[in-house]
Amino acid sequence: DQQVKQNSPSLSVQEGRISILNCDYTNSMFDYFLWYKKYPAEGPTFLISISSIKDKNEDGRFTVFLNKSAKHLSLHIVPSQPGDSAVYFCAASSIQGAQKLVFGQGTRLTINP
Amino acid sequence: EAGVAQSPRYKIIEKRQSVAFWCNPISGHATLYWYQQILGQGPKLLIQFQNNGVVDDSQLPKDRFSAERLKGVDSTLKIQPAKLEDSAVYLCASSPVPGGFGYTFGSGTRLTVV
Repeated sequence: DQQVKQNSPSLSVQEGRISILNCDYTNSMFDYFLWYKKYPAEGPTFLISISSIKDKNEDGRFTVFLNKSAKHLSLHIVPSQPGDSAVYFCAASSIQGAQKLVFGQGTRLTINP
Repeated sequence: EAGVAQSPRYKIIEKRQSVAFWCNPISGHATLYWYQQILGQGPKLLIQFQNNGVVDDSQLPKDRFSAERLKGVDSTLKIQPAKLEDSAVYLCASSPVPGGFGYTFGSGTRLTVV
């Protein structure tokens, strides 16, 4: 039962353009969503999060959008930089984020110079 | 602030052998998690500790996996006997409170079972 899904295993974007990573979830109890970034041989690192009471959260070049009715969130990176090349995981939790994180399968983002 | 420490970084064992992983969380973090990440998949929670008590071990294969967190600080995860499908990266994470806030992962242990 995959409660958090990232349907694109990989994405390739030109440097300077916008990268859009997508995530869908099925559990309506999820109310806190996060994006993690993972480089090879390292653990995932927290990137940005959003609570279900908001529909947008912005931090520098990174913006996360949440569409609760569609059970969909997306991460926008603009402008994309070569250092953004990594695997990005979407994660969700419930009860105002107090429950365990459930992760998607990840999307490998490659930024081409 | 020191991060989450894990060892070893890599381990190769034959099937049916046993293996143990160690994790030292960030000082003061009461909640500790062990995740299994199989290649091409997202991390899957194996077990969650709150101090030295188990909060969630619903996805831990208890016939072969065991974990403990003595004194509510560092933790060990053991597999005995290992199977080929246990090949994965085992990630330890800690947080000051349960849930998604303040989650910090270690670098993981890559296990290969041959």
